[in-house]
Amino acid sequence: RKEVEQDPGPFNVPEGATVAFNCTYSNSASQSFFWYRQDCRKEPKLLMSVYSSGNEDGRFTAQLNRASQYISLLIRDSKLSDSATYLCVVPSGGSYIPTFGRGTSLIVHP
Amino acid sequence: EAGVTQFPSHSVIEKGQTVTLRCDPISGHDNLYWYRRVMGKEIKFLLHFVKESKQDESGMPNNRFLAERTGGTYSTLKVQPAELEDSGVYFCASSRSAGTSIGKLFFGSGTQLSVL
Repeated sequence: RKEVEQDPGPFNVPEGATVAFNCTYSNSASQSFFWYRQDCRKEPKLLMSVYSSGNEDGRFTAQLNRASQYISLLIRDSKLSDSATYLCVVPSGGSYIPTFGRGTSLIVHP
Repeated sequence: EAGVTQFPSHSVIEKGQTVTLRCDPISGHDNLYWYRRVMGKEIKFLLHFVKESKQDESGMPNNRFLAERTGGTYSTLKVQPAELEDSGVYFCASSRSAGTSIGKLFFGSGTQLSVL
């Protein structure tokens, strides 16, 4: 099993839609979780951190389910500018190296 | 504050040649990471420095890759000799000291390496 696994994409949604991505992780000792956003041909940028049950920032909500070892990212009222790849990152291994999932591609269309 | 800078942004070399990538982290960031993204695959960890010390180099593919961080400031990643499978985007990222900052990475814009 991979350390960090994400929903396969792409997700193709209309403007205004609500969309959710899931990410599962294998290291039950992980304490912190992160969602990054990566635009085409750009570097990843931190979107949200999740340390306890969840975190909300405007239209974005991240939730953590420790029992099932997954985190989710919910985007409400999708905008065209939300189109990007969303990367799940979980510090893993003995030295807690930030480990990336493969990413989920989101395409928001008019 | 200035961000993480990487140089060059692109490099095209022939198989067997040597290439050196450079990363300047954000000032004051002790942690420096190198990652690589091969087309269609996830961003994979290469190695981690804390100041000038290599903390974890378990992701380095083989001994053709050599990373250094002299004086705990900028870092270089040298590939010698380059092979076709080394092509990809090499990202550098930095972060503050550990604790809750683990995982809060600031990335450079990457070096696109093409080995022909």
